[in-house]
Amino acid sequence: DADVTQTPRNRITKTGKRIMLECSQTKGHDRMYWYRQDPGLGLRLIYYSFDVKDINKGEISDGYSVSRQAQAKFSLSLESAIPNQTALYFCATGFRETQYFGPGTRLLVL
Amino acid sequence: DAKTTQPPSMDCAEGRAANLPCNHSTISGNEYVYWYRQIHSQGPQYIIHGLKNNETNEMASLIITEDRKSSTLILPHATLRDTAVYYCIVRAYNNNDMRFGAGTRLTVKP
Repeated sequence: DADVTQTPRNRITKTGKRIMLECSQTKGHDRMYWYRQDPGLGLRLIYYSFDVKDINKGEISDGYSVSRQAQAKFSLSLESAIPNQTALYFCATGFRETQYFGPGTRLLVL
Repeated sequence: DAKTTQPPSMDCAEGRAANLPCNHSTISGNEYVYWYRQIHSQGPQYIIHGLKNNETNEMASLIITEDRKSSTLILPHATLRDTAVYYCIVRAYNNNDMRFGAGTRLTVKP
């Protein structure tokens, strides 16, 4: 399985602050994704990237931005955090038909 | 992508087969059926996928009806560690936007 790591694992921030969530992977997969999950709901796609020069919006990209610094790194930023961005965030890589997910980052915006 | 319908919850006795249904009556000819599961708040884990033929791997079997409007994921000998939310997802092979619904919460009981 892909080794997908996310930092931080937990984060508390205040409304209006800028925050960055980082994701890195060691399997050499070209495709990377960011999802958010709200309590009791499934995952929703925020952004995805096929390679360093390719960034695509997902279902719920408003209020978020991403950066693909290298094949192995894909960062998600909240430019000005708001309370309804409190959620569990997952990074994933993709290879063929399968996506491999990281452990998640639990974000609380006060 | 086609919409899927799953029961919100199911129980299964440990050691028995768990049969998780999924309806996808609007599935298109080029769309595959994927199953993922999420244990507690961990990242989702790929289980299996198929187009029209039944599939089996070390984790589960996937039975797709002849008209492809529904499918069943079978865990042949459920264990307590199989307690999770199971997501049925329908998408085209080259579509990276994987839409997770609410899934089925499977509880395996001793």
